[in-house]
Amino acid sequence: DAKTTQPPSMDCAEGRAANLPCNHSTISGNEYVYWYRQIHSQGPQYIIHGLKNNETNEMASLIITEDRKSSTLILPHATLRDTAVYYCIVRVADTDKLIFGTGTRLQVFP
Amino acid sequence: DAGVTQSPTHLIKTRGQQVTLRCSPKSGHDTVSWYQQALGQGPQFIFQYYEEEERQRGNFPDRFSGHQFPNYSSELNVNALLLGDSALYLCASSGRSARRAFFGQGTRLTVV
Repeated sequence: DAKTTQPPSMDCAEGRAANLPCNHSTISGNEYVYWYRQIHSQGPQYIIHGLKNNETNEMASLIITEDRKSSTLILPHATLRDTAVYYCIVRVADTDKLIFGTGTRLQVFP
Repeated sequence: DAGVTQSPTHLIKTRGQQVTLRCSPKSGHDTVSWYQQALGQGPQFIFQYYEEEERQRGNFPDRFSGHQFPNYSSELNVNALLLGDSALYLCASSGRSARRAFFGQGTRLTVV
């Protein structure tokens, strides 16, 4: 069963920041939060992951609450190519098993 | 670096037949996982192979089986195909030093 809940869809204007929320209230202390995205019918693409600290890379930032029960993925300047389904995932501790939910469909509009 | 490659890209099979899907992991990766993604759903974990052994298994029947070869490549076999097995089958590889999985483009299986 999925360990995360996300809104089914969101819109964002091109050039603006996209903030995608995720709840993972049952996450265990040694489980990581991962974000992947999937552009239509392609394989999921890794974005970022974290355990308890905030993380930033060239694609996005990940903000994890102090109690680790929720997180937010931030795309700082969304482009039309960021239109995709975004999955917030919990990685089962000590394995590479990913438990996907149904994701958030992000639509970036001009 | 070729990344994760899967073959074939598309496949049509008849109900009751058997199918074999193939996956070559990213260079340097030793763990291969398989996922099934039905239309409109997120990927569902089937099983994972490491050191040629099935290490973990999701909630899939025994009709789904796999194999990993000494070069870390992997096969997914599905017997007695059902219409409900129609889906995108994804392979993901990972390595001990990099705790992120890389996915292939998938094999689209249609059962008629």
